[in-house]
Amino acid sequence: GAGVSQSPSNKVTEKGKDVELRCDPISGHTALYWYRQSLGQGLEFLIYFQGNSAPDKSGLPSDRFSAERTGGSVSTLTIQRTQQEDSAVYLCASSPRRATTYSPLHFGNGTRLTVT
Amino acid sequence: DQQVKQNSPSLSVQEGRISILNCDYTNSMFDYFLWYKKYPAEGPTFLISISSIKDKNEDGRFTVFLNKSAKHLSLHIVPSQPGDSAVYFCAASVANNDMRFGAGTRLTVKP
Repeated sequence: GAGVSQSPSNKVTEKGKDVELRCDPISGHTALYWYRQSLGQGLEFLIYFQGNSAPDKSGLPSDRFSAERTGGSVSTLTIQRTQQEDSAVYLCASSPRRATTYSPLHFGNGTRLTVT
Repeated sequence: DQQVKQNSPSLSVQEGRISILNCDYTNSMFDYFLWYKKYPAEGPTFLISISSIKDKNEDGRFTVFLNKSAKHLSLHIVPSQPGDSAVYFCAASVANNDMRFGAGTRLTVKP
């Protein structure tokens, strides 16, 4: 596809269960970002990948959160033992991140996670 | 640590008038600044950007101003249209690395 694709678009899960959120970036984009937006809040940075490595994991809220990226493409964000405060829209973005030019991020439509 | 701040959660403007959205930042290393627009149930979409070597960038009805000494940027929309009603996010990064966003300002343009 032409844009960033995220799946599922909606996920309802019971407290304590694990969830996996998937992001398919734009082909050829080397940088990939995860953000979340809780109800009424702004965009909270979670993690950033350059290729398969994550130079900045500082935004992950707890050790229940992890993310990986394989083959420099698809990324999964995993939340273990979900809590109600994890309910939010999780947004993925990608960027070409060329060394000599600045590039805006291209966002997917997000995964709305509801923990009951 | 909120490095990018949008202190106005909402703004209401009459159609045809100017909308001015403001953003402050704390990290003096930021050298790339952007504005994004977000409609409900969609991801943010890129609107306009400015690098730290400039103080103004214009694209049609949208102009971004950067005041490095004050660590402040603003987005001007003129004339404002009802279709501009959305949440606007300010963002900043260091050398095109991880990008930090403000909390957003909800703009309502009244017909």
